[in-house]
Amino acid sequence: AQRVTQPEKLLSVFKGAPVELKCNYSYSGSPELFWYVQYSRQRLQLLLRHISRESIKGFTADLNKGETSFHLKKPFAQEEDSAMYYCALKRTYNTDKLIFGTGTRLQVFP
Amino acid sequence: EPEVTQTPSHQVTQMGQEVILRCVPISNHLYFYWYRQILGQKVEFLVSFYNNEISEKSEIFDDQFSVERPDGSNFTLKIRSTKLEDSAMYFCASSEFGQSTYNSPLHFGNGTRLTVT
Repeated sequence: AQRVTQPEKLLSVFKGAPVELKCNYSYSGSPELFWYVQYSRQRLQLLLRHISRESIKGFTADLNKGETSFHLKKPFAQEEDSAMYYCALKRTYNTDKLIFGTGTRLQVFP
Repeated sequence: EPEVTQTPSHQVTQMGQEVILRCVPISNHLYFYWYRQILGQKVEFLVSFYNNEISEKSEIFDDQFSVERPDGSNFTLKIRSTKLEDSAMYFCASSEFGQSTYNSPLHFGNGTRLTVT
């Protein structure tokens, strides 16, 4: 069965520090991976997906099939990055269902 | 920017009662979804809906659950006889195309918090 694991419930850093939010997945095929973000009092929204290979708000994520990981990174955290971050997986065929991790709350202190 | 809207924001109901959660997806979107999140747990897929029929459902989505698109704008989730364990935040989402299409992200509503007492 497919599963997404986000080992950290809470990650606290100071402004300007590097950030890495961990995501590991289990799936025997080739997955599609996503990061969704929920800022305070806002709705869940897509941050980035691995297939686009782009940087959004300074965040990047690389799919590492050997380590089955899709960690989210940012070199210099900003206070406005404070939010709940969810990693999600989709099988590459025959489904529109996303499987979410439990989420990591990122707190960026001034 | 168009948004998915959900009503009500909070619904309290007694165990055994029927409840209908309402959603208005983004108007040009073709795919509709319900997800839920029990407090402290992960966001879980319930059902996807396309072309006026269920395209996929999870094992959570048993006979007590149903979805409907009664007109051109609303998308509803009905729980026929609520249980205590149905208490959760229910999220509606829509997308223009399926999730395999590049640049067709899920657009989520703000959620309806369902409390079953």
